[in-house]
Amino acid sequence: DTAVSQTPKYLVTQMGNDKSIKCEQNLGHDTMYWYKQDSKKFLKIMFSYNNKELIINETVPNRFSPKSPDKAHLNLHINSLELGDSAVYFCASSRGLAGGYTDTQYFGPGTRLTVL
Amino acid sequence: LAKTTQPISMDSYEGQEVNITCSHNNIATNDYITWYQQFPSQGPRFIIQGYKTKVTNEVASLFIPADRKSSTLSLPRVSLSDTAVYYCLVGDVGSGNTGKLIFGQGTTLQVKP
Repeated sequence: DTAVSQTPKYLVTQMGNDKSIKCEQNLGHDTMYWYKQDSKKFLKIMFSYNNKELIINETVPNRFSPKSPDKAHLNLHINSLELGDSAVYFCASSRGLAGGYTDTQYFGPGTRLTVL
Repeated sequence: LAKTTQPISMDSYEGQEVNITCSHNNIATNDYITWYQQFPSQGPRFIIQGYKTKVTNEVASLFIPADRKSSTLSLPRVSLSDTAVYYCLVGDVGSGNTGKLIFGQGTTLQVKP
């Protein structure tokens, strides 16, 4: 059983297109995240949702819009794709993000997005 | 914001102990320090977490000095399968459920036979 799953694993598309990446976790966690990893391996948080509520929204172009239909799902929709959007996108989940500690995050396998 | 700095890369040989240090000068009082391991084409995986002094589990040890401005991940007797990127994460939790999670740039560990 996969704890955090993402679809698709690979996504190749043309500039200007709109695409979505889906994420699901079966761990019963309350918090989900989207990260972007560039070619230099730098891992940067984009968004986080806790119980379907947006709690972290980093400086990300508004072409990126997360959507959480329920706490087990966090999808990422990207409008008007640009060359610079090419990267690996990771979804993650954790039990919570509260108090004085950082809950362990469980990451999905990643989605490699290539914009041509 | 708690920013972290790690060496970009390290080399080691099988059977050696490897120590990777992460600097986090602006760590906040309530922040914990977490290390993750990432293999190629996979998502990061939790290794160890600590707040102060020393933490040890079956995989690694984490040493945190009293001022908490740095931390050292220690991998005993590494093997080829420990070749991976290691990330230092410092939780910067604000009030309630808000916060920001910042990964360091990662340290690429290459273990040689």
